Amino acid sequence: DAGVIQSPRHEVTEMGQEVTLRCKPISGHNSLFWYRQTMMRGLELLIYFNNNVPIDDSGMPEDRFSAKMPNASFSTLKIQPSEPRDSAVYFCASSRTAVNTEAFFGQGTRLTVV
Amino acid sequence: TQLLEQSPQFLSIQEGENLTVYCNSSSVFSSLQWYRQEPGEGPVLLVTVVTGGEVKKLKRLTFQFGDARKDSSLHITAAQPGDTGLYLCAGVAGNTGKLIFGQGTTLQVKP
Repeated sequence: DAGVIQSPRHEVTEMGQEVTLRCKPISGHNSLFWYRQTMMRGLELLIYFNNNVPIDDSGMPEDRFSAKMPNASFSTLKIQPSEPRDSAVYFCASSRTAVNTEAFFGQGTRLTVV
Repeated sequence: TQLLEQSPQFLSIQEGENLTVYCNSSSVFSSLQWYRQEPGEGPVLLVTVVTGGEVKKLKRLTFQFGDARKDSSLHITAAQPGDTGLYLCAGVAGNTGKLIFGQGTTLQVKP
């Protein structure tokens, strides 16, 4: 298996622009997580899905952030409009539905908003 | 809100020394996981502890889950430069599989 695939690996955009991050989870995994990592805040859970349904989005910082999972093999995290404080590494992870199972992470998208 | 507090945040030691990293919470978790993250990569699972009081060993690493399932520790014996990295604890909340991470401990082992 190729693992969790995220794209792009790096994104530099200007303040005010729309940014879309993409994630392909591991086939057969039913849970998908979006995290944001910064030096100050560490690894923050933004939103997670079970069977393509958003279960908890309480970590989404503002209405500028939205996430979708139209099918079991694809998810997006969109920021519109982007701001410099959104600069961070965004990780997608997937796991099997059962509790206590391992989360497999992608390599992350490093977002820089200038 | 369930929070996990890790300590220390940074640790710089000499090769051969022992160290312990702590992960504490006021909340009960169904399990605790420990991950290690290398620069430019995502975290990778080291171990999962499920039962209160459980102890697991992975070579020179010993993981323990508190009796009340609110805290955990990672002990490394005779640290080596290859142990350098970011260590993260993560709690699985309830039956939903929600995975919450601590702030992480950055470990540097000098030769």
